[in-house]
Amino acid sequence: GQQLNQSPQSMFIQEGEDVSMNCTSSSIFNTWLWYKQDPGEGPVLLIALYKAGELTSNGRLTAQFGITRKDSFLNISASIPSDVGIYFCAGQVTGNQFYFGTGTSLTVIP
Amino acid sequence: DGGITQSPKYLFRKEGQNVTLSCEQNLNHDAMYWYRQDPGQGLRLIYYSQIVNDFQKGDIAEGYSVSREKKESFPLTVTSAQKNPTAFYLCASSIGTASPPPAFFGQGTRLTVV
Repeated sequence: GQQLNQSPQSMFIQEGEDVSMNCTSSSIFNTWLWYKQDPGEGPVLLIALYKAGELTSNGRLTAQFGITRKDSFLNISASIPSDVGIYFCAGQVTGNQFYFGTGTSLTVIP
Repeated sequence: DGGITQSPKYLFRKEGQNVTLSCEQNLNHDAMYWYRQDPGQGLRLIYYSQIVNDFQKGDIAEGYSVSREKKESFPLTVTSAQKNPTAFYLCASSIGTASPPPAFFGQGTRLTVV
């Protein structure tokens, strides 16, 4: 299957700081998704992106569909303790095949 | 409350046994999915179904089987042919449009082979 590279693998930040993470692929994707997963739970969809260059916000979260269609970025502004979790990107080429990244683990220090 | 229910939350299997993981949704979604998650890895697609009585293999279907006899149910059987079944299994669903993203996930079933 396709390989999605997420970076960084983990982050430790102070409460109130902004966070940036990204996801890159060797292939072009038509859709990019961002999910958050809490320990022992299923992922929750945060943002879906459908067009190259698209910038979409969901509260303090902002995600962008890269112009090359091979990458996507997620930013979290003014982090709070409940932002802790693992953030996954996922990309779709065609059909129902969605490929997931390996995740970015976020720790917020109060 | 609408959602996806997976059961059981924890499952222990002896080597050589088949086990079935349950996934039920009351969201009236057409599409349902099964993913496997291993530590430090992304989710990998096992099977998906866009409509009742139809399902497609994902990247890692070998050693697994599914059925979709009802819209709300998509059980996954882990057979003895699956050589390394210990993992966290996630079921998901989405609205039935063309190539919908897996929008809602269940809470997962952690399967351990003993």
